[in-house]
Amino acid sequence: EAQVTQNPRYLITVTGKKLTVTCSQNMNHEYMSWYRQDPGLGLRQIYYSMNVEVTDKGDVPEGYKVSRKEKRNFPLILESPSPNQTSLYFCASSLLGDWRGWDSPLHFGNGTRLTVT
Amino acid sequence: DQQVKQNSPSLSVQEGRISILNCDYTNSMFDYFLWYKKYPAEGPTFLISISSIKDKNEDGRFTVFLNKSAKHLSLHIVPSQPGDSAVYFCAASRSTTSGTYKYIFGTGTRLKVLA
Repeated sequence: EAQVTQNPRYLITVTGKKLTVTCSQNMNHEYMSWYRQDPGLGLRQIYYSMNVEVTDKGDVPEGYKVSRKEKRNFPLILESPSPNQTSLYFCASSLLGDWRGWDSPLHFGNGTRLTVT
Repeated sequence: DQQVKQNSPSLSVQEGRISILNCDYTNSMFDYFLWYKKYPAEGPTFLISISSIKDKNEDGRFTVFLNKSAKHLSLHIVPSQPGDSAVYFCAASRSTTSGTYKYIFGTGTRLKVLA
């Protein structure tokens, strides 16, 4: 089954304790991205990657790191989490590569709810 | 700077009637627009899209209209069903000056279809 898989689904941690949220897709997609969803603010892009070893900042990158060593994986790293990073996180991927395709919707994982105390 | 705006946080519609969800954008460089549906505890699911070279796209009960001059798009659901009750996000995408590609989302509209 074609899917984007995030782990864990739920995570409670304390301020300053490094954590990684994993994301993997099995659709051979070029493009991957991380979003956070907060009440009243919708989905805001954290980082995205056009291809392996190519990553770019989205609209809210502060406090996050990513890496894209393999096409299928795009982990989100919080080196020193803070309470303002408590949120619902979504990983997404699309077929989009170095061409502009009108049929390149994003496919989302089921989300990771992170609480930082 | 909210480039994609959904000004109605919520909408209630009677079953069988039409649901119209609206979305406005500010950046004329957007050239691909999408609608997503999101149920609680799940990720957003792609619903329908439209490119900027079209003004209408239909898929079953769902139709998206694009008015480029007004920088406005809308999603029509006819007839509405209770299972359509969800949060709907509109999104727009564009190339960046560095040759990358971004998808920008609105804040969402919660649709409730009343039986």
